[in-house]
Amino acid sequence: ETGVTQTPRHLVMGMTNKKSLKCEQHLGHNAMYWYKQSAKKPLELMFVYNFKEQTENNSVPSRFSPECPNSSHLFLHLHTLQPEDSALYLCASSQGADRRGGEQYFGPGTRLTVT
Amino acid sequence: DQQVKQNSPSLSVQEGRISILNCDYTNSMFDYFLWYKKYPAEGPTFLISISSIKDKNEDGRFTVFLNKSAKHLSLHIVPSQPGDSAVYFCAAAHTGNQFYFGTGTSLTVIP
Repeated sequence: ETGVTQTPRHLVMGMTNKKSLKCEQHLGHNAMYWYKQSAKKPLELMFVYNFKEQTENNSVPSRFSPECPNSSHLFLHLHTLQPEDSALYLCASSQGADRRGGEQYFGPGTRLTVT
Repeated sequence: DQQVKQNSPSLSVQEGRISILNCDYTNSMFDYFLWYKKYPAEGPTFLISISSIKDKNEDGRFTVFLNKSAKHLSLHIVPSQPGDSAVYFCAAAHTGNQFYFGTGTSLTVIP
């Protein structure tokens, strides 16, 4: 596997379910990100991890819980979501956690539907 | 409030002609700008970047222009090819801070 991978690619869950999204990067990067992309909106940064430490949490509701066990893996744990949380969730990685880290490499995304 | 704006949601261009995608930003502290390209069912892929110390950066058929006084950047694709049909996002950042993305422009290159 190369680049950034995400599983699952599609997920349908009820509002009372608990599920997790997984991201893995094979690029040797130190920073990883979760973004949310809703229709007709810009990519919204949710969380940033740099060397496994969370450095940014953009006022994300607590029903989204990130976990970064090492620099290569990132999870997003989901529980009691709302229908408006339906979106494409993108994981990305870069050398460093800000613009000096250069461009970000994105995974293909998980299309989440909350019913 | 959106700090990076792409006001044209879509653009159609004939194959072989120039495609010009535009992006405006509001934060004068931004000093690094990027363009990403996204195909359906794939994540965005990095295309080209420019630092605020430059006003132009070229990579093959792709050129990015930066007009700092107007807080405007544009991506030129010459000549446009059908494989360039995708959604293009611009992004901006300043040192020590996160990237901000636009809403994207969907480019269709007509054969």
